[in-house]
Amino acid sequence: DQQVKQNSPSLSVQEGRISILNCDYTNSMFDYFLWYKKYPAEGPTFLISISSIKDKNEDGRFTVFLNKSAKHLSLHIVPSQPGDSAVYFCAAAGTSGTYKYIFGTGTRLKVLA
Amino acid sequence: DVKVTQSSRYLVKRTGEKVFLECVQDMDHENMFWYRQDPGLGLRLIYFSYDVKMKEKGDIPEGYSVSREKKERFSLILESASTNQTSMYLCASSSHSSEQYFGPGTRLTVT
Repeated sequence: DQQVKQNSPSLSVQEGRISILNCDYTNSMFDYFLWYKKYPAEGPTFLISISSIKDKNEDGRFTVFLNKSAKHLSLHIVPSQPGDSAVYFCAAAGTSGTYKYIFGTGTRLKVLA
Repeated sequence: DVKVTQSSRYLVKRTGEKVFLECVQDMDHENMFWYRQDPGLGLRLIYFSYDVKMKEKGDIPEGYSVSREKKERFSLILESASTNQTSMYLCASSSHSSEQYFGPGTRLTVT
């Protein structure tokens, strides 16, 4: 049972436009959410996170929105750049104390120049 | 800068071989993790460790074991490699208050 879902396997966006990547979760015990970016042949790198006490967190061109009632989060990249082309994973964690993340299946973003 | 290193970038092994994947982190992190990444399945947790000599099963531990004898080192062992263990293996570490930092990955092919 997939507790964290990224329903769009891929997304193409024109350079300079907004990229919106979506993530849904089913477990209401999750209270911390993260986005990671992964280039081919490299490990994932942390991008941005949000705690469940917030509904928005911003870091430069990247903003994460959290809608707890809908169990939905999204990552907005504005403006998109060709270097943003990568696979993006959302992850969720709870307060069980084990520091485990549950990752989604990933969305491949392609930013077209 | 946090550094997580993995012993090999690419590895080719034969079915039935015993395989060791090593991971070392230099940030004195308490927690270490082993994942595998497969197309369409994302990152799945195999095992993790929150202290030396401590280990807990993740979501897909079957066919794997781990060892953590020192805080900085976490080893993943495939006792008898099978073709369905062909995958990208990713190691990560974290402190109790940080996000997880990942190594570059080991692409393992079992023939």
